[in-house]
Order: sequence, then structure tokens, then C-alpha cells
Amino acid sequence: IVMTQTPLSSLVTLGQPASISCRSSQSLVHSDGNTYLSWLQQRPGQPPRLLIYRISNRFSGVPDRFSGSGAGTDFTLKISRVEAEDVGVYYCMQSSQLPLTFGGGTKVEIK
Amino acid sequence: EVQLVESGGGLVQPGRSLRLSCAASGFTFDDYGMHWVRQAPGKGLEWVSGISWNSRIIGYADSVRGRFTISRDSAKNSLYLQMNSLRAEDTALYYCVRDVTNGGWCTALDPWGQGTLVTVSS
Repeated sequence: IVMTQTPLSSLVTLGQPASISCRSSQSLVHSDGNTYLSWLQQRPGQPPRLLIYRISNRFSGVPDRFSGSGAGTDFTLKISRVEAEDVGVYYCMQSSQLPLTFGGGTKVEIK
Repeated sequence: EVQLVESGGGLVQPGRSLRLSCAASGFTFDDYGMHWVRQAPGKGLEWVSGISWNSRIIGYADSVRGRFTISRDSAKNSLYLQMNSLRAEDTALYYCVRDVTNGGWCTALDPWGQGTLVTVSS
């Protein structure tokens, strides 16, 4: 399954919203009825960390300014008010089917 | 605290072998699926291989199938990746990653180790 993210990069003013799209080449609905689409954040020099799983579930410790939505093949990550610590690269990932696949990444920078 | 510590990376010539290890602590290793994900310098993430909590499900990326072998040792709380016939395009930081869900498979991946760097070059 090919995961396509847009935009490649996003220049955002502090306190303003940001949005990242992810599209899969086929439906991510698993035979168990769940959709295994996650979002990860990779800050500079750090390993990735999980933000959102199963489309819209915020992982433990993730601020509520991060939210996920979507269904089927189209998904979105939104940051309601970007903070300085949100700088980094964001990846969507599907785990509904092996091999697991990632989007190409979206770099978020502060204007 | 959950910890994943990778080791075994280094500089290796094309065609040679390397074995990566991941020491897990802070959780019941036997209850979780585990994965290797790599990141070439300046590039994105690529899933390499995964093994379920009971070793019944094992998967590989097409790019490494037949050359890499994943395994786990519950007595040592460790995950391994045996890499044979290494190529220049295998050069990357290799992360050890845990499934999020106890007893599940591929719900999501977290946490991630710090990674071990593999460089394939003559």
C-alpha cells in the first residue's frame, strides 16, 4: 500500500493551525473492522514517536492540539495551534496490511 | 520505564553480514510484537521486518526478504536482525520498535529505540 503525504513541507506561524494530508492507494479498513492509520512525529535528531493511532486516537501524553480524522483512503492530521516544539517531520503509517508502509513525511517549520 | 537499546551496527563491506540486537526492558517482552524500521541518511522511514509476540507471524519488506532474518529470544528479552548479503542501499539507522498493544499485532508502533547505524561500503 502506497502512502502519499501532502504537503512536503509547511511553514507555519506560531499559534496558527497546520494540516497534513495522507492518502493511501487502497482502503485501510482491516478485516476486523478497524482502520490502522497512525501519525508519528520525528523531532530533529530524535527517533519518531507515536501521536495518533487508529485514525483519531491520541496516544498517551500527546497534547490535545493534535487531532486526526479521515476514513477509507483519506486522512488528516491537524495541529490546532502550532508551538515551537512541534517543529519536525510528520509521517503517516498504515499497519492494516503487511508490509507496513509510511508516507514520505511532511516537514513542519516555524515562519 | 520502557527501554529499547539497539546494538551491533557498524561499517561493513558489501556482501558481508551483520547481526543487530535490541535489548528490551521495562515491559513484558513476551507480550508484544516487535519490529525493525530503518531510515537512510536524510530520508524517510522504511519498515524492514516484524515478528508477533508469539513468533507465529513474521513479515519482511520486499527489499530485504531472503537476505534478512528476524528473531526474538524471550529468555534474553531481545530482538535480533540477521542481515546477510548487505548492499550499499541497506545503509541506514536501524530502529527497534515495539507494538503499542499488548497481545496485539501492528496496531501502531511505539516506543522506538535510539537506533544503530549500519553503513555498507567498501
